[in-house]
Amino acid sequence: AQRVTQPEKLLSVFKGAPVELKCNYSYSGSPELFWYVQYSRQRLQLLLRHISRESIKGFTADLNKGETSFHLKKPFAQEEDSAMYYCALSGRGGQRDSNYQLIWGAGTKLIIKP
Amino acid sequence: ETGVTQTPRHLVMGMTNKKSLKCEQHLGHNAMYWYKQSAKKPLELMFVYSLEERVENNSVPSRFSPECPNSSHLFLHLHTLQPEDSALYLCASSQVMGGPDTEAFFGQGTRLTVV
Repeated sequence: AQRVTQPEKLLSVFKGAPVELKCNYSYSGSPELFWYVQYSRQRLQLLLRHISRESIKGFTADLNKGETSFHLKKPFAQEEDSAMYYCALSGRGGQRDSNYQLIWGAGTKLIIKP
Repeated sequence: ETGVTQTPRHLVMGMTNKKSLKCEQHLGHNAMYWYKQSAKKPLELMFVYSLEERVENNSVPSRFSPECPNSSHLFLHLHTLQPEDSALYLCASSQVMGGPDTEAFFGQGTRLTVV
């Protein structure tokens, strides 16, 4: 079954400390993985996607097919990083096998303490 | 406003009421989505429209009825809802429905409370 698991509902770290938000997936094909972020009172938006291999706001995420993981990392957390983070997988499925759909994790609330 | 716009932002309705949620996008996208976001639960995909055709209906109760009159507008008609339907309803759009690197653009949501 296709599934995205974010094991931590809440993660709290001090400003300047490293951050790692965990994401594990289950998918039989070759997945495309994304991280979305929702800041307080703002809309859900794309943070980064694994195919871009880019760093956004200091965050990076590496797809590890062996461990089926796509953890989000930042070496030094900042207070403005406090938000809700969702890991998502794009893969074929749904009612028509040809359709791609986004499968979402439950989200991790990140709190950066001053 | 550019992007994806949802109205109303907040809605309180009784179980016997009929109301509609509206979503509008001017991004030229061909796919639109309704999601339900409840506390402590993953985002739940409700409906997907591609080129105004409904292509996904994820076992959503019939008290939720979507409508896509054109590629820029999406409605969610509500009737005889239950208190457990209270949630944040998110609309999203993407350039196309499929594709591995499709980015979803979200509206700010409608906070629905059923009393």
